Amino acid sequence: AQRVTQPEKLLSVFKGAPVELKCNYSYSGSPELFWYVQYSRQRLQLLLRHISRESIKGFTADLNKGETSFHLKKPFAQEEDSAMYYCAPRKTSYDKVIFGPGTSLSVIP
Amino acid sequence: DAGVIQSPRHEVTEMGQEVTLRCKPISGHNSLFWYRQTMMRGLELLIYFNNNVPIDDSGMPEDRFSAKMPNASFSTLKIQPSEPRDSAVYFCASTIGTGSETQYFGPGTRLLVL
Repeated sequence: AQRVTQPEKLLSVFKGAPVELKCNYSYSGSPELFWYVQYSRQRLQLLLRHISRESIKGFTADLNKGETSFHLKKPFAQEEDSAMYYCAPRKTSYDKVIFGPGTSLSVIP
Repeated sequence: DAGVIQSPRHEVTEMGQEVTLRCKPISGHNSLFWYRQTMMRGLELLIYFNNNVPIDDSGMPEDRFSAKMPNASFSTLKIQPSEPRDSAVYFCASTIGTGSETQYFGPGTRLLVL
């Protein structure tokens, strides 16, 4: 069965500390993966996609096919990173995106 | 473009009442999604439409929930009768084509059923 898990519902880190939000998936083939973010009082929005290998707001995510993971990382957390983060895979480029359960990140000043 | 528009933004109702949530997708988008967000269950896909046709409603919790999309610029999600466990934030999102990676979300409707 196709599944996406984010083991941490809540994650708290201190400002300036590294942060890693975990995401594991169980999809056959070569899925595409995305991270969405929802800041307080803002709309849920796309943060980054694994295809473009981009760094957005200091965040990066590497697709590890061996471990079937797509963890979101940032070397130095900022207060404005506090938000809800959703890992979102899709089976192929023709399928809809499915959202994981989400991780609420709180950056402590 | 104002983006995806949802109304009302907040709704407080009593158990047993009918609740109707509304969504206007971004013009030109032909796929529309309804989600429910709760602390316990995260973001759940309830139903999605493509070209106004419901494609997958397997996420609709039970018969009390129904959704319609009479035209390309309007959709409703109705709960009748509402129950306290329906309290959640309901999001509408739209995109071009089902396979588009970027879904554009509305601001959500915060529903509280007493």
